[in-house]
Formats: sequence, structure tokens, C-alpha cells
Amino acid sequence: SQTIHQWPATLVQPVGSPLSLECTVEGTSNPNLYWYRQAAGRGLQLLFYSVGIGQISSEVPQNLSASRPQDRQFILSSKKLLLSDSGFYLCAWSHRDRHAGELFFGEGSRLTVL
Amino acid sequence: AQTVTQSQPEMSVQEAETVTLSCTYDTSENNYYLFWYKQPPSRQMILVIRQEAYKQQNATENRFSVNFQKAAKSFSLKISDSQLGDTAMYFCAFGETSGSRLTFGEGTQLTVNP
Repeated sequence: SQTIHQWPATLVQPVGSPLSLECTVEGTSNPNLYWYRQAAGRGLQLLFYSVGIGQISSEVPQNLSASRPQDRQFILSSKKLLLSDSGFYLCAWSHRDRHAGELFFGEGSRLTVL
Repeated sequence: AQTVTQSQPEMSVQEAETVTLSCTYDTSENNYYLFWYKQPPSRQMILVIRQEAYKQQNATENRFSVNFQKAAKSFSLKISDSQLGDTAMYFCAFGETSGSRLTFGEGTQLTVNP
């Protein structure tokens, strides 16, 4: 069976510090990978998605970046965090060969920037 | 661009009763997918039900069913025999058949009261 893990679950960082959130998927190959942000417990905003190694599409211009160094690994990064980066970050994957298919979400990472 | 609107930020229902959550969307596509996701207090998102636009029959999953009105671009979720464990944030989502991304609504916080 497929599983998705993301970490850390909780992170408190000062303004201006770097960020690295990691997500890995197991039990499947060539997944589509996604990073979403959920602010104030409301809607999900798509930040990045990837259809393959090294292929990253950015949906929202900001000081965050994403990388996919391996097929099932997706990393969200920032060189200098802003207060507005606080939120709940969700990693997700979907099957490559199923258009608009179901998303499978990780447990989420709560980021607080002080 | 597609948009998804959930006009009810919060709803409540008594245990064992029925509740309907509303969702409307805007698209120029003829074929697409619609989803309802549930985010309980534990925060991990899970799929509740899925509807393919080319299917006229409304999807059903146990106590969960949808009322899909394609012409009206409406996709409501009905929860029958509500249970305390149904307390969660519910998100409506739209997916293109030609793409790999989902667009989410702002969510409806459902509280089931004993």
C-alpha cells in the first residue's frame, strides 16, 4: 500500500531563518507531488506541483521554493522566512496516469514564524 | 480559471440527523471531476466522495451522497445519520481531466452535536 510522510509536524522559526519541509511517498512510482498551504484553517492554496524529477511548477510567486531530488521526495524550502509564511503546509500525491485523480495527503506541518 | 465556492463557512447538525453542504463551481470544461474531502481535527485530509462529470448518476458512499447538478454547476454533499465523528472541515474540490491539479473551496466547518 502507498503511504506519504511529511516532517517535521511542528516547527517554530524566527523571521529571516531558513526552512526545509520534507515529504516522501512510498509504495508507488512516478507520482505527481504537491505542496499546499492552508492559512487560518481555511482553504487550500496550491504552492507547487511536480510531475517528475526536477520538474517544478509554481502557482504563487513568493519567497518559497520546491525541489524534487528523487522520484518520491518533495522538499519545500525558504532562504528567509517571513511572518506571512506561517500556516499549515500539506504535501500530497496523486497517480501520474490518472488525470484529476484523487489526492492523498500527508499529516501536515504546522509552521509558526515569530 | 476554475473557481469553487462554498457559501457556508459553518454548519451544525444534531447527531443522527441529515445535513447538506453546498458547493458551486465555475468552469468552461465539459468533462471534469468533483470531490469532497474531509479534514477532521487531526488535520489529515481524506477523500469522502468523488463524482465524474460525465456520469449522470449521483455518487454514494455509505452515509454520504452527492446531488450533482451539472447545468447549475452545483455539487452538494448530503450526510445522513450524522455521527460525532463527522465533525470536521469539509472541502469541495474541482479537477480538470486535462490536468493534474485540484482547485479547492474555502471549506465548511461542520459540527455534529450530541
